[in-house]
Order: sequence, then structure tokens, then C-alpha cells
Amino acid sequence: LAKTTQPPSMEAYEGQEVNVSCSHTNIATSEYIYWYRQVPHQGPQFIIQGYKDYVVNEVASLFISADRKLSTLSLPWVSLRDAAVYYCIVTVRGSALGRLHFGAGTQLIVIP
Amino acid sequence: EAAVTQSPRSKVAVTGGKVTLSCHQTNNHDYMYWYRQDTGHGLRLIHYSYVADSTEKGDIPDGYKASRPSQENFSLILELASLSQTAVYFCASTTGNYAEQFFGPGTRLTVL
Repeated sequence: LAKTTQPPSMEAYEGQEVNVSCSHTNIATSEYIYWYRQVPHQGPQFIIQGYKDYVVNEVASLFISADRKLSTLSLPWVSLRDAAVYYCIVTVRGSALGRLHFGAGTQLIVIP
Repeated sequence: EAAVTQSPRSKVAVTGGKVTLSCHQTNNHDYMYWYRQDTGHGLRLIHYSYVADSTEKGDIPDGYKASRPSQENFSLILELASLSQTAVYFCASTTGNYAEQFFGPGTRLTVL
């Protein structure tokens, strides 16, 4: 399974757009990119998934580079509720081998 | 919205004692997982199950047993609790898309 690298922490002011990057240089053609977030004292929550190009949902958007080695999670207009640890995970979709491997993630600090 | 509940939410156990953590899901998901999270770290997979009456070892199964008596219930058992098993334990479930998992609120276990 591909290893991911994320910045350990980021800061943003409320109302700003935040972009969290994730490097996955050894991603395999069978692997997808998933983003989760975890607020304190809760379990992780799925945000978005993608394979290539650009994906958007009601919560976030995900841009994946053409070579699929870099992805960027974009959160528009962050609020204090978005303060959490964001995890980028690369794994096989729809397969018994598709287990989640959580790294240390990126701690997003939101400043009022 | 998927519903995964865990009990107890917190527990203090003595070294060498037996601990059972319970997980219940009401979404007819076939797949269930147990993870542990140590302070400041990501989650690690302990055991998982594809179907009732069957369990599989995850990445860190030593010192843990799992039981899946029904589709809805998945238990994690520590036969001889040790200090090193102090952590927060999360249960998760999913259906066909194995990487889009739904997590419970966690159980904080302290072994003294």
C-alpha cells in the first residue's frame, strides 16, 4: 500500500479557504485516495474520495495531480468546527485488501 | 446516516484482568473493524470481520481477540489486560466500499 506524507499541522483563520496537501509517490493504479477527519473525542469521519482529476461534494473538493502522486483537499470557508486532524489514506477500493492505514494526519488549527 | 455505537464509552481496568469492548451497528453492514488509537497517533487495525462467526487478524492483533456473534455485533476481548493496552478503541463498519467506513464514538480504556 502506498505511503502518504502530509504536513503535521496548518493554521487558518475562520472564513479562509484551506488546502491540505498529501504526497503519495508510490500510489498503485488500483489504489484510490480517501480523506477522513477526526475532531477531538470522536471517531474519524469520511470526507471525500477520488481516483484522478477533480472531485467535489457538499463538504470539500479534492484535486489529484495528473500523475496521481499528489492530492489536495480543499475546504472552503473554514469555521471553528473544521478544526480537526485530517487524514489522507491511499488504498484499494472494494477489495478485501483495502484496509485503512492512518498516518499522523494534518492538525488543522482554526483561528477565530 | 450509518449508526455505530460502542459500549462502554470509558473503562478502567486492572492489569491482568479481562476486558470486553462491544460494538453494535444498525446498518446491515457486512464488514466491521476494531482499531486502537494512542494519544497523538493515527488509528491502527486490530481485528476485522467480513461475516458473522468469522474474524480476521489486522495489523496489531497480539493480545486481542475478537468475536462476531451476529452481523450487528462485534466485540473486542482483552483476556489479560496490560498497561500498554491503554488507548482509545474505535469500531467501524462498512458495506461494499471498504474504504468508506463509519466509525463509532470510541471507548477510552485505561489499564492500571
